[in-house]
Amino acid sequence: GNSVTQMEGPVTLSEEAFLTINCTYTATGYPSLFWYVQYPGEGLQLLLKATKADDKGSNKGFEATYRKETTSFHLEKGSVQVSDSAVYFCALSDLYSGGGADGLTFGKGTHLIIQP
Amino acid sequence: DADVTQTPRNRITKTGKRIMLECSQTKGHDRMYWYRQDPGLGLRLIYYSFDVKDINKGEISDGYSVSRQAQAKFSLSLESAIPNQTALYFCATSTQRNEQFFGPGTRLTVL
Repeated sequence: GNSVTQMEGPVTLSEEAFLTINCTYTATGYPSLFWYVQYPGEGLQLLLKATKADDKGSNKGFEATYRKETTSFHLEKGSVQVSDSAVYFCALSDLYSGGGADGLTFGKGTHLIIQP
Repeated sequence: DADVTQTPRNRITKTGKRIMLECSQTKGHDRMYWYRQDPGLGLRLIYYSFDVKDINKGEISDGYSVSRQAQAKFSLSLESAIPNQTALYFCATSTQRNEQFFGPGTRLTVL
């Protein structure tokens, strides 16, 4: 079956620090990969995505590269801000195993805390 | 206006009660989903629907049922609520490539 593993949190950084949140996956087909962000009291918002190997998704200074050889999709940002404090979820969609778009498989989430 | 709305936003109920959570969307997507979020567990899929006539069970459908009243409306019911159904519930819609858009969530507490 499909699964997503991401680093445990909370991750606490100082403002302007470099961020990496690790994500690895297991999938039986050819997944698309996503990062979602959840701000306090809100639903999940799509942050970025990549649909095939070597694609790089980017948005709001965040980047992640789809690495098929290491089955990874690590999230990075060069200089974090206090406003980046949130919970980040890595997810995959495996449209071609089982024949249907049966929802996303999520990691457990990483709580990121940025201190001024 | 929000593209995906959920009502109610918060609900406290008692064990054994029937509860309905509602979801509406204006994105025009055929595919809709219900997830629950528990601390430390991420999101888990309860039910999903590809269109009004197509309903599918997800990973954790026991104790839940759904109704797709129209393309824009997808309701989740707890027939007889129990305390371990206390969670944050999210509705989502998706594009053909499964890019999903989430509602703001309903916080349900079962006493």
